[in-house]
Amino acid sequence: KQEVTQIPAALSVPEGENLVLNCSFTDSAIYNLQWFRQDPGKGLTSLLLIQSSQREQTSGRLNASLDKSSGRSTLYIAASQPGDSATYLCAPQGGSEKLVFGKGMKLTVNP
Amino acid sequence: DTGVSQDPRHKITKRGQNVTFRCDPISEHNRLYWYRQTLGQGPEFLTYFQNEAQLEKSRLLSDRFSAERPKGSFSTLEIQRTEQGDSAMYLCASSPRLPSSTDTQYFGPGTRLTVL
Repeated sequence: KQEVTQIPAALSVPEGENLVLNCSFTDSAIYNLQWFRQDPGKGLTSLLLIQSSQREQTSGRLNASLDKSSGRSTLYIAASQPGDSATYLCAPQGGSEKLVFGKGMKLTVNP
Repeated sequence: DTGVSQDPRHKITKRGQNVTFRCDPISEHNRLYWYRQTLGQGPEFLTYFQNEAQLEKSRLLSDRFSAERPKGSFSTLEIQRTEQGDSAMYLCASSPRLPSSTDTQYFGPGTRLTVL
């Protein structure tokens, strides 16, 4: 059974910092891994999808890496802004197509 | 492409009542998913449809829960005899037709259920 862990559970930083969000998973037999953003009381917005054959994926100030063999993914956020404040969730996807989520990491970027 | 929509956005009900939620996926997305998210937790998978066929159900989906997608387009999730433990955000997602390792799931805004 896939289990996903995100540490720390919450992070508060001043604006402008470069951030590293960590995600670990127990079953490395995955097709891809996705990073999502969730604003309070809202649905999920897909940020990046990394295929199992890829090592990195970039979109704007976001860069995600995947080390499937060690069961780890990292989301880098460059030059953080107050608008980046949200909960960030990672979700590996295996053969059953369902996404398995961690509890997420609540990020607060202070102006 | 108008995105995934869900209705209602909020529902307050008394324990023991039945509730039904609706999800309209992105047009031509043949796969549709239901997840449940409680406070402080990540979403948990409930069930999944490919067209009108329900292909997988989580053990979280007790006998009081039923989901349908009768024409392979919109889906409904019904909860009978609601309990306070059913209070959660119910999220719907859809993904494109072709199976692919690049398929992302597009999520709707969710339905917030409160059982009093």
